[in-house]
Amino acid sequence: AQSVTQPDIHITVSEGASLELRCNYSYGATPYLFWYVQSPGQGLQLLLKYFSGDTLVQGIKGFEAEFKRSQSSFNLRKPSVHWSDAAEYFCAVGGSRGTDKLIFGTGTRLQVFP
Amino acid sequence: GAVVSQHPSWVICKSGTSVKIECRSLDFQATTMFWYRQFPKQSLMLMATSNEGSKATYEQGVEKDKFLINHASLTLSTLTVTSAHPEDSSFYICSATSGGGQPQHFGDGTRLSIL
Repeated sequence: AQSVTQPDIHITVSEGASLELRCNYSYGATPYLFWYVQSPGQGLQLLLKYFSGDTLVQGIKGFEAEFKRSQSSFNLRKPSVHWSDAAEYFCAVGGSRGTDKLIFGTGTRLQVFP
Repeated sequence: GAVVSQHPSWVICKSGTSVKIECRSLDFQATTMFWYRQFPKQSLMLMATSNEGSKATYEQGVEKDKFLINHASLTLSTLTVTSAHPEDSSFYICSATSGGGQPQHFGDGTRLSIL
């Protein structure tokens, strides 16, 4: 079955601390992986994506993610969190075509304390 | 680039009325658009996939007669919630892609409240 698991529902970090959000997936074919961020009452903004090639991908706002096929993981990281990073983060997996539907994880809510 | 505009952002209406939500790709041609529903503090639930000029493909459990989707052009898709009831109140989000491996780009969502 195709699925995405984000084991952490809620994470709280201090501003300036490092961050890692976990994502594990199950997908029958070559996965295309995405991280999106959602601020309250807003749509989703694409942070980064992995299609192929270098397994460490850089995204916007200083985020990066590493694809580990052996662990079926695609964890999101940021070395130093800013208060403006507080939001909901969704990991998603899809097929090789952009027209394939995405399967989303349940999301991780990030809270940042000053 | 890759901007998706969704309108209206918020709508309140009486039970029994129909509500139309528009999703437009502003700077690219969207061969495929997706409609999602999101309940408070939950993930996105895909409702349907629409390709320009074709009938939408609905996910299991989504009433196609209740949620009418039209994708008449490469830049516009509409979702009409017919005879809306309070249980249809939710946050509806669209996304669009030009295909060819390009990611989905999302609109800002529409908060629908049915009284």
